[in-house]
Amino acid sequence: GAVVSQHPSWVICKSGTSVKIECRSLDFQATTMFWYRQFPKQSLMLMATSNEGSKATYEQGVEKDKFLINHASLTLSTLTVTSAHPEDSSFYICSAPSGGPYNEQFFGPGTRLTVL
Amino acid sequence: AQSVTQLGSHVSVSEGALVLLRCNYSSSVPPYLFWYVQYPNQGLQLLLKYTTGATLVKGINGFEAEFKKSETSFHLTKPSAHMSDAAEYFCAVRVAGSQGNLIFGKGTKLSVKP
Repeated sequence: GAVVSQHPSWVICKSGTSVKIECRSLDFQATTMFWYRQFPKQSLMLMATSNEGSKATYEQGVEKDKFLINHASLTLSTLTVTSAHPEDSSFYICSAPSGGPYNEQFFGPGTRLTVL
Repeated sequence: AQSVTQLGSHVSVSEGALVLLRCNYSSSVPPYLFWYVQYPNQGLQLLLKYTTGATLVKGINGFEAEFKKSETSFHLTKPSAHMSDAAEYFCAVRVAGSQGNLIFGKGTKLSVKP
């Protein structure tokens, strides 16, 4: 199946700094990618839909200015957590649809963010 | 609105025993349903999916699920649990009319006792 990678796999940063997370589709093109956040022992919650060549679509309650999304190419989407705070510590997972008739999602391995 | 409910946040079985993880959904349109498995600190891996056609769906690692419209259920089963099956399992429904984004249940952690 298709492969989606994320980088870094984990990151620790100080409060107030910004962190960039990359999501890449390795062997297919993705005009759309999804960013999810997963708190410990909880389910995945969709944060935003990343669209190549246009603005991202954010879910209700997600701050656009805090979670900057850039879909620079057909294989790369980035999520930047700006001015990170401890409450932003979470597991961030991206996914990309296969493009087939059912748009099966392929998930990245996730990025563990810890803000001190 | 669509939703997914997983009954039981934690299920424990003995090795070799039947695994049954429950999932009920709510959808006003024919749903696309998925089961994913997540190992610690990893992303999600697709176990199986139901889109159309046969209601009994077979997936990887010996898992299968049956779509029952009358019960709005999509329970996941495996005849004989293996230690390596210990993980978190998520049921999900594709958002109708979307580009493929999913609504997830809260997950069920499966423990397998030797």
